[in-house]
Amino acid sequence: DGGITQSPKYLFRKEGQNVTLSCEQNLNHDAMYWYRQDPGQGLRLIYYSQIVNDFQKGDIAEGYSVSREKKESFPLTVTSAQKNPTAFYLCASKLLAGGTDTQYFGPGTRLTVL
Amino acid sequence: GNSVTQMEGPVTLSEEAFLTINCTYTATGYPSLFWYVQYPGEGLQLLLKATKADDKGSNKGFEATYRKETTSFHLEKGSVQVSDSAVYFCALSDILKTSYDKVIFGPGTSLSVIP
Repeated sequence: DGGITQSPKYLFRKEGQNVTLSCEQNLNHDAMYWYRQDPGQGLRLIYYSQIVNDFQKGDIAEGYSVSREKKESFPLTVTSAQKNPTAFYLCASKLLAGGTDTQYFGPGTRLTVL
Repeated sequence: GNSVTQMEGPVTLSEEAFLTINCTYTATGYPSLFWYVQYPGEGLQLLLKATKADDKGSNKGFEATYRKETTSFHLEKGSVQVSDSAVYFCALSDILKTSYDKVIFGPGTSLSVIP
């Protein structure tokens, strides 16, 4: 089955530690995105990438880093510099060719900092 | 800049009631408009979309019409079910100056349907 997978579903981290969230897609989509969702709020864009080895900062990139070494993978690292990392993180992808502008989302990872 | 405004929730309805969730937007150009739905503990799923003025998106009994004159994309359903309980996000596509694009989401409206 084609889709977007995120792992793990729940993640716990001690303060001061870096942690990496996985996002993989087998849809052959070009663009990938990371969003953060806080309770009762909408989604805020962290980073996005349209091609391998290239990515751009979104609205709240401070304290986060990403890489795009393969088309199907876009891992997000939450560093110790992120002051309030507890949130629900969503990965999305999109096919650029064909004019479609629909993003498809993974199931999300809930990160809790202890 | 471009933005999306949704009616505040939470919205609580009885089963079989009529649903309207208001959404208005501010945008230059002609963005595509979307409604996404998020069930508890899950990611977002595309519910419906419209790509140009007067288009009507529809899916699973939900409908929304792209109204350029009122810059609105209100979500409606004639008879809600308990299984429709979720958070609904209105969104628009946005073409950035660099030609990269992103989706701008509204804050979401929580819907609870009671039997």
